[in-house]
Amino acid sequence: DVKVTQSSRYLVKRTGEKVFLECVQDMDHENMFWYRQDPGLGLRLIYFSYDVKMKEKGDIPEGYSVSREKKERFSLILESASTNQTSMYLCASIPGGGLAGNTIYFGEGSWLTVV
Amino acid sequence: DQQVKQNSPSLSVQEGRISILNCDYTNSMFDYFLWYKKYPAEGPTFLISISSIKDKNEDGRFTVFLNKSAKHLSLHIVPSQPGDSAVYFCAASGKTGANNLFFGTGTRLTVIP
Repeated sequence: DVKVTQSSRYLVKRTGEKVFLECVQDMDHENMFWYRQDPGLGLRLIYFSYDVKMKEKGDIPEGYSVSREKKERFSLILESASTNQTSMYLCASIPGGGLAGNTIYFGEGSWLTVV
Repeated sequence: DQQVKQNSPSLSVQEGRISILNCDYTNSMFDYFLWYKKYPAEGPTFLISISSIKDKNEDGRFTVFLNKSAKHLSLHIVPSQPGDSAVYFCAASGKTGANNLFFGTGTRLTVIP
């Protein structure tokens, strides 16, 4: 079974703090994603990566950066957390070749509260 | 602008009856559609998918219907069970790579015992 692990499930951070959200997948998937889920807005793509050291902006990259130094690990970084970044963050991965015939595997989510 | 829309934020259904969850999309280039189920405090899990060359796909109690001309898809759950109570997201993707997966806003299904 594919496993996508988000190491921090619940975090509370102060405004202005630097926040790291870590995600690890164990199936050698090329593509990894970070989404945030907010009530009434569904899942919105922040950043994705299709290979080590490669990254692409999603729909809402402002205020975020990412790091992919190893294939299995994709980190989301909030350089200076703000209260509007309070949300549930979901990491996901799929094999290379895109979605056709594949499905996205999600982690369990990281609930971040910025106070 | 939301390219995938789920206009019903919530739905309540009696156990044993049919649940119908609807999803509309605006981009005619979308050719692959998925439904995900999400329980509280968990990540979404894949439920069922359909490609644009089909108009129906079944998997046990779950059936997805695709109407390309209307840009509409629906998920039918028959019979509904209390364990089906969750938030359901539809998602759509085009041909051009893994990044362009667009999610709807979700519908919360409650199956009443």
